[in-house]
Amino acid sequence: DAGITQSPRHKVTETGTPVTLRCHQTENHRYMYWYRQDPGHGLRLIHYSYGVKDTDKGEVSDGYSVSRSKTEDFLLTLESATSSQTSVYFCAISEQGEAFFGQGTRLTVV
Amino acid sequence: KNEVEQSPQNLTAQEGEFITINCSYSVGISALHWLQQHPGGGIVSLFMLSSGKKKHGRLIATINIQEKHSSLHITASHPRDSAVYICAVREAGNQFYFGTGTSLTVIP
Repeated sequence: DAGITQSPRHKVTETGTPVTLRCHQTENHRYMYWYRQDPGHGLRLIHYSYGVKDTDKGEVSDGYSVSRSKTEDFLLTLESATSSQTSVYFCAISEQGEAFFGQGTRLTVV
Repeated sequence: KNEVEQSPQNLTAQEGEFITINCSYSVGISALHWLQQHPGGGIVSLFMLSSGKKKHGRLIATINIQEKHSSLHITASHPRDSAVYICAVREAGNQFYFGTGTSLTVIP
């Protein structure tokens, strides 16, 4: 199994609070992605990174920011959580076409 | 507009049946992936294809680049195959596009 871990795995937070999700890899893969998964939708890209300090927006980036200060870590921050951000979040890494996914983080905003 | 379309959305089969899930895509790709997700679980990559056919145990994946179509076959299906199967394509810019998944239930 590829070395990719997400933390936390589950989180309940209140509307308006900041939340940070962490994705950590031990594979030294260049590309890292954050997706959200919601019923009726395929995985939707929030942000991605193609190297340290190189990030770009995906199709559903509003309300989210990311940072990648080290190859192995890609952080997703919800500056002020809203109920519409209740979802399951997946991190993925990729190199030479291969893709590996984390176990997901179930976030509930109440 | 969905770059990746899967069919069927839901599938119920009796144990032992041969199963086919189809995927069509509209973008130019460098590779296609078949992913598996068990209820409440993470996502696992089953296959990565850029041409032809791959086989792993009871699973077979094929791709026709000219027709922009791929199929995932499961032979002698088993209840443990019950999961959501997701087709994903990787385009040249290292972006992935995902189908909405096929939910498979195999009944003993």
